[in-house]
Amino acid sequence: EPEVTQTPSHQVTQMGQEVILRCVPISNHLYFYWYRQILGQKVEFLVSFYNNEISEKSEIFDDQFSVERPDGSNFTLKIRSTKLEDSAMYFCASTRYRGYNEQFFGPGTRLTVL
Amino acid sequence: DQQVKQNSPSLSVQEGRISILNCDYTNSMFDYFLWYKKYPAEGPTFLISISSIKDKNEDGRFTVFLNKSAKHLSLHIVPSQPGDSAVYFCAASAPGTASKLTFGTGTRLQVTL
Repeated sequence: EPEVTQTPSHQVTQMGQEVILRCVPISNHLYFYWYRQILGQKVEFLVSFYNNEISEKSEIFDDQFSVERPDGSNFTLKIRSTKLEDSAMYFCASTRYRGYNEQFFGPGTRLTVL
Repeated sequence: DQQVKQNSPSLSVQEGRISILNCDYTNSMFDYFLWYKKYPAEGPTFLISISSIKDKNEDGRFTVFLNKSAKHLSLHIVPSQPGDSAVYFCAASAPGTASKLTFGTGTRLQVTL
């Protein structure tokens, strides 16, 4: 069964450093998402991406964040200068169609900012 | 921002009995609702969904009920099994929002022997 994969599973970084989180969505999916979950809190939407551009972003997704689909398979989330409060689980999701369709989530990357 | 609320942080149910997980929402624009199950150190796994034109959707042991007037949905699991022990998230989306999901805070279900 096809699945969304994410690397690395755990990333530790120093405050102020740049990190890139990687995702490989399901191959025939067209819509891509990043969510995050701070420990003990709910899963929060960050950004959606379709046709090589951002469809929507939340207030969390400020200028420190960017997304890219550098090739036909990868989907990346870059945090330019990490802050302590960026420590969270980051989940990538994808879906083939917009609208009444479930999103398939990857296993997540745990980001720890020291 | 509490557009989707799950007021019970935890629930314990005996194996074989019914588990009922509840979810309330405030945004009347939501028209599609989903339940996800999550184990520790894993991503959310889709369970079942319902669109606002229905009031019930069933898939095996899982049934979701939607009461639009009360802005309330519930997930019924019958019969409950130990492998159902996980955190359950309710999520919702609205049209014209690129299908972003708004999640509740989750309910931890423990199914005991």
